Amino acid sequence: DAGVIQSPRHEVTEMGQEVTLRCKPISGHNSLFWYRQTMMRGLELLIYFNNNVPIDDSGMPEDRFSAKMPNASFSTLKIQPSEPRDSAVYFCASSLALGTGGSYEQYFGPGTRLTVT
Amino acid sequence: GIQVEQSPPDLILQEGANSTLRCNFSDSVNNLQWFHQNPWGQLINLFYIPSGTKQNGRLSATTVATERYSLLYISSSQTTDSGVYFCAVPPYNQGGKLIFGQGTELSVKP
Repeated sequence: DAGVIQSPRHEVTEMGQEVTLRCKPISGHNSLFWYRQTMMRGLELLIYFNNNVPIDDSGMPEDRFSAKMPNASFSTLKIQPSEPRDSAVYFCASSLALGTGGSYEQYFGPGTRLTVT
Repeated sequence: GIQVEQSPPDLILQEGANSTLRCNFSDSVNNLQWFHQNPWGQLINLFYIPSGTKQNGRLSATTVATERYSLLYISSSQTTDSGVYFCAVPPYNQGGKLIFGQGTELSVKP
């Protein structure tokens, strides 16, 4: 398996521009997670989907952030308009959901390093 | 919410030395994962270990769920072991999202 695939790997943009990050989960996984890593806050969950449905978006910082999962093999995280404080590494992860409300092992993509100037 | 604390925050070792990293968590969990973030930023799965002990080469991990801690052992460390080690736990019945500790930054000197 190719693992979780993310694109682009690096993105540099100017404040105010729209940014779209993309993720392809591992085939067969039904849970998808978006995390953000910063020096100040560490790794934190932004949103996750189960069977393509958003379940918990409490980590999305504000309305400028939105995420979609139109099908089982693709998800996007969009920031519009972008701000310098959005600069971070954004990770996508996927796993199989457990019936008990948990999940099996999560696997992470290589991340997208976003710089907003 | 659940708190995850890792210790020590930083560790410097000479190549060949052994080390133990600790992860404490404040509430019951279904499972626990250990990751290694290498100098290129990739998060590499080390262990998925809800309880008990697992070994993978020079690395092993033990989770004592009833006492809410996990230990990661690195034996005969190598320079390629350098990076940040994270533990992460999913709060019970919250869909599997992971709460990460702040990490232990390990530097192995030749």
